[in-house]
Amino acid sequence: NAGVTQTPKFRVLKTGQSMTLLCAQDMNHEYMYWYRQDPGMGLRLIHYSVGEGTTAKGEVPDGYNVSRLKKQNFLLGLESAAPSQTSVYFCASTPGGYASTDTQYFGPGTRLTVL
Amino acid sequence: GEDVEQSLFLSVREGDSSVINCTYTDSSSTYLYWYKQEPGAGLQLLTYIFSNMDMKQDQRLTVLLNKKDKHLSLRIADTQTGDSAIYFCAESNTGNQFYFGTGTSLTVIP
Repeated sequence: NAGVTQTPKFRVLKTGQSMTLLCAQDMNHEYMYWYRQDPGMGLRLIHYSVGEGTTAKGEVPDGYNVSRLKKQNFLLGLESAAPSQTSVYFCASTPGGYASTDTQYFGPGTRLTVL
Repeated sequence: GEDVEQSLFLSVREGDSSVINCTYTDSSSTYLYWYKQEPGAGLQLLTYIFSNMDMKQDQRLTVLLNKKDKHLSLRIADTQTGDSAIYFCAESNTGNQFYFGTGTSLTVIP
């Protein structure tokens, strides 16, 4: 199993450009998450999905969109990148279920710089 | 969102014990977690504790939970240089969303 993979690993954008980050998991997990990690702020949840075809907003959703067309993939889109979106983005997945003790499995991260 | 707070930095000498502290505000937290992040990598789960427990031990790791004070701690015995990393506390009450602290950067001095 590859676990959780993220593409790309690094990216530099100019303000106003768009891009899509891809997260893929091969563990048949129901739940998937996108976080951003900024210095001194820990991880903040952007969007999450509790199943194929569903998405929900997290703590900091503005400026991002997501899609979960296939169970194994969770896409994070930036329509018009801003310097405030410079961050490290992590995808995670869990098997899912109420009151879950499930550990979150994290991808290696995507380091995005917006100039 | 829920507040989960940690101190940002901790330094210890190799062989000593490390204690990393965390406070949280959600009184309905069901599960509390400790994650480790090594440089350039994602987070890995170290251990977790149910809210109806007050202690859990796993080899060199001891987790203490004071639910009344909403205080969680992680003790690492015989700290080694390989333990240098950022440690995140996280809590969840539904299993859908996880709230993370700011992370504590642990430096182990040889």
